Amino acid sequence: DQQVKQNSPSLSVQEGRISILNCDYTNSMFDYFLWYKKYPAEGPTFLISISSIKDKNEDGRFTVFLNKSAKHLSLHIVPSQPGDSAVYFCAASEGGGADGLTFGKGTHLIIQP
Amino acid sequence: DSGVTQTPKHLITATGQRVTLRCSPRSGDLSVYWYQQSLDQGLQFLIQYYNGEERAKGNILERFSAQQFPDLHSELNLSSLELGDSALYFCASSGAGSRPYEQYFGPGTRLTVT
Repeated sequence: DQQVKQNSPSLSVQEGRISILNCDYTNSMFDYFLWYKKYPAEGPTFLISISSIKDKNEDGRFTVFLNKSAKHLSLHIVPSQPGDSAVYFCAASEGGGADGLTFGKGTHLIIQP
Repeated sequence: DSGVTQTPKHLITATGQRVTLRCSPRSGDLSVYWYQQSLDQGLQFLIQYYNGEERAKGNILERFSAQQFPDLHSELNLSSLELGDSALYFCASSGAGSRPYEQYFGPGTRLTVT
């Protein structure tokens, strides 16, 4: 049973526009959420995180929104740049981030010039 | 560069064999995590060590074991290997700095079992 779901395997966005990546979760015990970016042949790179006590966290071009009642989070990238083309993973943790992460299967973001 | 190192980068071995994967965490990080990424299962948490002690277990098979040494590096031992164990194995670490709960991943070890 997948506890973290990324329902869009791929997403294509024009350069300069907003990219919105979505993630749903089923485990109400998750209290810390993270987004990672992964290029081929590299390990996942940490992007941004959010605690369940917040509903928004911003870091430069990246903003994560958390809707606890809907068990949904999203990552907004504005403006999208060619270097943003990668696979994005949503991850969640029950232990405030100190335990092992449960990952979604990823969304492949393609930024079109 | 995340600061997490993993060796070897690639490993090819036969079914039934045993291998050891090595991970050195970021300087100052006390927690080490191991993950397996296979094509059909995605990234799966295997096991976590904190300052030498096992802290949490995920979907780790009994044929697999890990340990963390006093210098905080960690090893993942995979034995009686099967074809289905072919995957990317990632190590991550956390604990130091202003973001203690963000896990930083190494480049991975690609294991191929033939």
